[in-house]
Amino acid sequence: QKEVEQNSGPLSVPEGAIASLNCTYSDRGSQSFFWYRQYSGKSPELIMFIYSNGDKEDGRFTAQLNKASQYVSLLIRDSQPSDSATYLCAVNRGLYSGGYNKLIFGAGTRLAVHP
Amino acid sequence: DAMVIQNPRYQVTQFGKPVTLSCSQTLNHNVMYWYQQKSSQAPKLLFHYYDKDFNNEADTPDNFQSRRPNTSFCFLDIRSPGLGDAAMYLCATSRDSSLRNTEAFFGQGTRLTVV
Repeated sequence: QKEVEQNSGPLSVPEGAIASLNCTYSDRGSQSFFWYRQYSGKSPELIMFIYSNGDKEDGRFTAQLNKASQYVSLLIRDSQPSDSATYLCAVNRGLYSGGYNKLIFGAGTRLAVHP
Repeated sequence: DAMVIQNPRYQVTQFGKPVTLSCSQTLNHNVMYWYQQKSSQAPKLLFHYYDKDFNNEADTPDNFQSRRPNTSFCFLDIRSPGLGDAAMYLCATSRDSSLRNTEAFFGQGTRLTVV
């Protein structure tokens, strides 16, 4: 089982719709969770992070975390063609699960927003 | 202004010829990471430093080495590049390993081609 799993997509949504991206993780000791956006040939850029169960909103983006289900998601409202990219979920183990802290990535979900 | 700088952006090397990729940061972050990313795959952690403390991933080949002479610089050495080592190499930094300071900031990456 991979540590961080995402559907590879592509997820295709019309402009203006809500895009929903999902991620599951295997290490129950994981404490912090990140969403990165990566355009083709570019490096990942941080969109937002979440530590606590529930929702966290930042502009058009909402991250949702459910630690009991080991599930984190990203909602993008009013999707724009410029949102078309690969979205990477990343997980960092906290101090309480042992081992070294490190940031582990999923393979990403490719999002295509069409006009 | 770029805060994590990787040089060069593109590197072509011959099969078996040692190559060094460099990364510098102006953020004064404690942690520096090296990731390898192949097409449509997750960034794969090779190793990371917490200050001078080197942490190697168990599945990182011996062909890959790293040096961190000071806080600002980190190098990735590939002793004998093979065709399978062609990838994007991403350097990232984070402030420290504590729970709420773990978001990673990436450089622009070095695209390595092996001929």
